[in-house]
Order: sequence, then C-alpha cells, then structure tokens
Amino acid sequence: ETGVTQTPRHLVMGMTNKKSLKCEQHLGHNAMYWYKQSAKKPLELMFVYNFKEQTENNSVPSRFSPECPNSSHLFLHLHTLQPEDSALYLCASSQGQSSQLAETQYFGPGTRLLVL
Amino acid sequence: QKEVEQNSGPLSVPEGAIASLNCTYSDRGSQSFFWYRQYSGKSPELIMSIYSNGDKEDGRFTAQLNKASQYVSLLIRDSQPSDSATYLCAVNPNSGNTPLVFGKGTRLSVIA
Repeated sequence: ETGVTQTPRHLVMGMTNKKSLKCEQHLGHNAMYWYKQSAKKPLELMFVYNFKEQTENNSVPSRFSPECPNSSHLFLHLHTLQPEDSALYLCASSQGQSSQLAETQYFGPGTRLLVL
Repeated sequence: QKEVEQNSGPLSVPEGAIASLNCTYSDRGSQSFFWYRQYSGKSPELIMSIYSNGDKEDGRFTAQLNKASQYVSLLIRDSQPSDSATYLCAVNPNSGNTPLVFGKGTRLSVIA
C-alpha cells in the first residue's frame, strides 16, 4: 500500500451519467495529480494541484472537472463522457516542496472506467 | 517540449539473466530520475530514484545515470518471471515540484 487510496476501483457509466472519482492520500503530501492511462498508451497527465491550487491543466476536455477541497482529497467529476474516455484513471501525490526527495510521486491503485 | 524516450519492447530475457532497460531524455537541465514498475492492470510502483551520475544499487536493481549523455538505465540482475512488467522511466525536468515526464514504458518478459 502506498498511502494513496482511490474509490471506486471499477466504474461503468453511460454517456449521460454523472459520476465522481475520489482520491485520498494519507502521506501528508501537498501535491496531487490525476493521470489517464488508456490501453497500450503512456500515462497522460491531466491535472496537478499543489497546496490546493490547480497548477496544471493539460488541455483536458471540460467533461472532466477536478476538485481539491484540501491537500488530502482530490476528486474528478465526470459528465457526458465518451466511450474513448474509458481508461484507467490514476491519482498520485508528492510532497509538493522544493526538494529532490519531494518529487517522488506515489500512485493510488486506480479506477478502471468503462463508458458505454 | 520535454521528452522521455523508451523502447516499447517487449524485451524478452531468460530467467536468471540480466535485463537492461534504457531511457533517454531531452531536457539537459533534468535533475531527478525515477523508475516505476507497472504490472498489467495495476498502478505504477516506484522502484528506484537517482539524482547523481553513476550507479545506484538496491538489491537486484541498479540504476545508472549519465547526465552528459542524457541517459538513464535500469539493470535487473538474476531476472525472475515475477519481474515481468512494464517499466516506466520518469524525469523531473527541474528541481522543485514540476510534474514528472513519463516515458511510454518498456515491457519486460522474463521467460522461465
């Protein structure tokens, strides 16, 4: 266990549904990340939050909406998704300070999403 | 654009052999380098980090860094079938909290 949890672990949703993915880290970190990993494709960084402020939005469609209420929790709200959005969604966290040791990212187990 | 390049593989090695995984990066100012292992259907797991030129050993794993050549590698000695996974190279382009840039990963298959 890395100290980063994600729920749900699996999700099936229709294109008209609204759902949310949740990530929680118990490491005392200040930076949290959402990644998308599609089959046979590399990790794609979606969003970065550092000290609850969004510092990066990697040209992600607006049907994905992140929320970071505090340094320990990160949500990804989903609405009107497309079948091509089916993927493994990974949350990660890091210390979030200017230190070499702080840059290591620890990943949660991921949410496997299927959009029908 | 900052890039991290890896051979996608698959790299097949017999059990007990040394597996050598390679990674090159484009940003000469990169400071921190990481190797993650990802089993099929699972999330990436940190194996090694390296910050200075040279070798860093941890059990059967050795990370090698050559900043002049912009090259980082991972050696796995006495490879086991349980080492079969995709290995992701990640580079932090600058010190501080810049997001990591990940390579596409190399799939390793250790044949018993």
